[in-house]
Amino acid sequence: DAKTTQPNSMESNEEEPVHLPCNHSTISGTDYIHWYRQLPSQGPEYVIHGLTSNVNNRMASLAIAEDRKSSTLILHRATLRDAAVYYCILATSGTYKYIFGTGTRLKVLA
Amino acid sequence: GAVVSQHPSWVICKSGTSVKIECRSLDFQATTMFWYRQFPKQSLMLMATSNEGSKATYEQGVEKDKFLINHASLTLSTLTVTSAHPEDSSFYICSARVTAGGGATDTQYFGPGTRLTVL
Repeated sequence: DAKTTQPNSMESNEEEPVHLPCNHSTISGTDYIHWYRQLPSQGPEYVIHGLTSNVNNRMASLAIAEDRKSSTLILHRATLRDAAVYYCILATSGTYKYIFGTGTRLKVLA
Repeated sequence: GAVVSQHPSWVICKSGTSVKIECRSLDFQATTMFWYRQFPKQSLMLMATSNEGSKATYEQGVEKDKFLINHASLTLSTLTVTSAHPEDSSFYICSARVTAGGGATDTQYFGPGTRLTVL
């Protein structure tokens, strides 16, 4: 199963943009890139996903490198409620299994 | 759309007893559901893949006789922890892959989790 690498933790000031990086150098052509976030004692929450093109939704933007070996989740204006562990996951076409890495713990400073 | 519920949200049981956890997709159909467990300060670990109407597929190292999974309908999967012991205490989370209905197709939506404590 393809793996992802993320920084263990990041900090951001409130109301500033946050760029969360993810490396996935072993990605295959049919793997989708999914991002989730998890608050303590809760299940992961879907944030965004994409295949090749950049994607935007009301929560965030996903920028995918041209070679697809890395991606960046962009929160345009961080709020205190965005403090969570963010997971970047490759969803293998066919099995649809998610293999979670360690994720990035985002701390938002007031 | 794409809401997944779990019941119960928490359970405490005595060692040696069995506990059943339910996972339901409320507004979409889910041919495939997944079960994860998460220990404190760790990431989620996939336990098994549950397909409606067929036997579950377990990940390496997960005891299929201990963690019984049933996926009898397109909206319900159950995980039964048999003869639970204190080391089974964990946060159990299910997810459902959207095949029809609300949410993005082929995306997993997660339940809120069930905290199991075995005394």
